Amino acid sequence: QKEVEQDPGPLSVPEGAIVSLNCTYSNSAFQYFMWYRQYSRKGPELLMYTYSSGNKEDGRFTAQVDKSSKYISLFIRDSQPSDSATYLCAMSAISGGYQKVTFGTGTKLQVIP
Amino acid sequence: DSGVTQTPKHLITATGQRVTLRCSPRSGDLSVYWYQQSLDQGLQFLIHYYNGEERAKGNILERFSAQQFPDLHSELNLSSLELGDSALYFCASSVDNRNYGYTFGSGTRLTVV
Repeated sequence: QKEVEQDPGPLSVPEGAIVSLNCTYSNSAFQYFMWYRQYSRKGPELLMYTYSSGNKEDGRFTAQVDKSSKYISLFIRDSQPSDSATYLCAMSAISGGYQKVTFGTGTKLQVIP
Repeated sequence: DSGVTQTPKHLITATGQRVTLRCSPRSGDLSVYWYQQSLDQGLQFLIHYYNGEERAKGNILERFSAQQFPDLHSELNLSSLELGDSALYFCASSVDNRNYGYTFGSGTRLTVV
């Protein structure tokens, strides 16, 4: 079983829809939770990061962490065709004195005009 | 442009050969991370350097090595290349040792034939 599980998709939604992207994890030591967006043939770009449980909002994006359920989500409101990309979740925990980051495999999102 | 520069963008080489990938971190960033991304494995952490010193190793093969130079640029050396080494290789940088909130480069696409 992978430490971080992410549905690979693809997920297709119409423009203007609310998108929900999710990851589950098994390591309860994860403290920081991140979402990256990766366009085709580009490097991942950090969208948001949160520490521990709770919500964080940035424009049309909301990140949610539920540590009790080991579940994190990224919501995109009023989705746009420019949001079409692969979304990677990432989490970090201290292991052997080092903050180790583990990435999910990514969910491919397509927003249809 | 993320500020992290990777060269070359594409590399095609034969099995058994050796290649060097280069990364210049974002100005002011002291940490450089190398990642391998393949379709089935997602982003796999290879190695982390901070201010010239190796900080952590991930799933890096013995055929692979890296270093960070005094000017903070880093090189990833891949030798005795195999078909399975074909992948995208990303470099990321961050200002310090905290492993969240990386800035990624655009990657080097390596094809071993």
